[in-house]
Amino acid sequence: DTGVSQDPRHKITKRGQNVTFRCDPISEHNRLYWYRQTLGQGPEFLTYFQNEAQLEKSRLLSDRFSAERPKGSFSTLEIQRTEQGDSAMYLCASSQGQGAYQETQYFGPGTRLLVL
Amino acid sequence: DQQVKQNSPSLSVQEGRISILNCDYTNSMFDYFLWYKKYPAEGPTFLISISSIKDKNEDGRFTVFLNKSAKHLSLHIVPSQPGDSAVYFCAALKDYSGNTGKLIFGQGTTLQVKP
Repeated sequence: DTGVSQDPRHKITKRGQNVTFRCDPISEHNRLYWYRQTLGQGPEFLTYFQNEAQLEKSRLLSDRFSAERPKGSFSTLEIQRTEQGDSAMYLCASSQGQGAYQETQYFGPGTRLLVL
Repeated sequence: DQQVKQNSPSLSVQEGRISILNCDYTNSMFDYFLWYKKYPAEGPTFLISISSIKDKNEDGRFTVFLNKSAKHLSLHIVPSQPGDSAVYFCAALKDYSGNTGKLIFGQGTTLQVKP
């Protein structure tokens, strides 16, 4: 299977704990995105990487959130001192990003986070 | 500020009939639009897209129509099948120098196709 994969699929944590999610994009894709989806809403953009460079961060991404993409391959999203409001589905997507603006993003299955 | 709106939270159709899902947008800078389908506990799956230089794009049972003057697009599914039951998201992309490919999503429409 050459799709986008995410790990873990589910995470339950207590308020105040740190959590880290991993995303493995489609191998030839050099653009990687993180989105967050809450119940009844569409996905909301969090951050974007072109290869290993993080080029944009949403205002939704507070100082407790950090994302990395070392070597331009997989990416991690860490949430420090989790709050109940962080409970959501965290989605990763990748695209070829060949320079054309018309690109399709392919999503992984998501990581569902529940903060108690 | 909801730049992409799907005003119908749900839609129910009979198997074999046409399903029409609607999407409105406010930002005239959007010029590439995508539809995704999402099953519970899964990530969105890409269905079909359309560029603003076109007014129609077709792929099998799925057709997307774009009306730029009305800032409106729609997804037609013909014939509808029970397996099409899912949440459908409309998304838009804005092209400008420094474009990041950030998608702006609507709230989604839940489609139920009854056998």
